[in-house]
Amino acid sequence: DIQMTQSPSSLSASVGDRVTITCQASQDISNYLNWYQQKPGKAPKLLIYDASNLETGVPSRFSGSGSGTDFTFTISSLQPEDIATYYCQQYDNLPLVTFGQGTKLEIK
Amino acid sequence: EVQLVESGGGLVKPGGSLRLSCAASGFTFSSYSMNWVRQAPGKGLEWVSSISSSSSYIYYADSVKGRFTISRDNAKNSLYLQMNSLRAEDTAVYYCARDWNYWGQGTLVTVSS
Repeated sequence: DIQMTQSPSSLSASVGDRVTITCQASQDISNYLNWYQQKPGKAPKLLIYDASNLETGVPSRFSGSGSGTDFTFTISSLQPEDIATYYCQQYDNLPLVTFGQGTKLEIK
Repeated sequence: EVQLVESGGGLVKPGGSLRLSCAASGFTFSSYSMNWVRQAPGKGLEWVSSISSSSSYIYYADSVKGRFTISRDNAKNSLYLQMNSLRAEDTAVYYCARDWNYWGQGTLVTVSS
């Protein structure tokens, strides 16, 4: 099974800050990686697919990069509505997908 | 508009059974594979099971293999998850998802005596 190691597990930042979350796969997954945002009581929302492609309607302050085993998710300028938990997900071996442990993002 | 609506969750005793449903609308259900994902309270996301469009291919996480059964009825635009021999660790919100960009709102399953 492919394991996804996501860090940090929690993060506190100020409005306007640049925020970065990383995800490392236990083996090469090419660019088969999604990033999700989940707010309390809600389903996950897809933000980034294929490691770096922005889902339709998602603000451009969100971005993703990486390939192989190392991936990065960035919010260029943190907004109050971005407070949520973020997850990476690999889909190199569909349909067996695995998620990172999540990063809880809070406002400082 | 794509809509996925789960139902069937509730409180069940350990060893009991429950059947979840996911009603799909806004797309040609019979053309898509479907998935179940769960999230224990305060925890992360865990893939549970997937089924191909014609039910030819079915997959389960090791944690539920032999206890859960995924199925679908393309005539009724519905996905199901039959959960037997439930354990406390199966307590979670269960989501159905299509293509990983469409998710339902989830249904809570609580396994407790």
